[in-house]
Amino acid sequence: DAGVIQSPRHEVTEMGQEVTLRCKPISGHDYLFWYRQTMMRGLELLIYFNNNVPIDDSGMPEDRFSAKMPNASFSTLKIQPSEPRDSAVYFCASSRTGTPETQYFGPGTRLLVL
Amino acid sequence: GENVEQHPSTLSVQEGDSAVIKCTYSDSASNYFPWYKQELGKRPQLIIDIRSNVGEKKDQRIAVTLNKTAKHFSLHITETQPEDSAVYFCAANTYNNNDMRFGAGTRLTVKP
Repeated sequence: DAGVIQSPRHEVTEMGQEVTLRCKPISGHDYLFWYRQTMMRGLELLIYFNNNVPIDDSGMPEDRFSAKMPNASFSTLKIQPSEPRDSAVYFCASSRTGTPETQYFGPGTRLLVL
Repeated sequence: GENVEQHPSTLSVQEGDSAVIKCTYSDSASNYFPWYKQELGKRPQLIIDIRSNVGEKKDQRIAVTLNKTAKHFSLHITETQPEDSAVYFCAANTYNNNDMRFGAGTRLTVKP
């Protein structure tokens, strides 16, 4: 298995532009998580899905952020419009259902908003 | 919801010494406690985990202890090596919602 796949690995954009981050979870994993990591705030859970359904989006900063999971093998995190304070590393992670299981992280997308 | 606190935020030890990182959690329903190691520019990776039905688990130079009564758990690294230098995160999770909460991280530096 290739593990959790994220794209792009790096993204540089200008303030006001739309940014779309992509994630492919490990096959067979029913849970998918989006995290944001910054020096100031550490690792923050933004949203997570179970069987493609959003379960808890209380960590999503504001309406500029949205996440979708149209099928079991693909999820997107969109920021529109982006702002410099959105600059961070965004990780996607997945895990199996049932008893709390280890979350496996993707390589992350390093986002810089100028 | 769950709140996880981690101490210290930075830790510097001499090669060969032991390192201990401590975490506390607030939700008594939490029953799964993983530890992740994150090297610079890389993803967090699981190094050890413990469930609430055991008090201690060991894997070579790494061990984790859990005190459910006090709601705290600790990571112990013995015979530290420079390659142990990284940021370590603790986390706590409950069976019901799979919503894992992470500590703020500890930056460990092992000096050769």
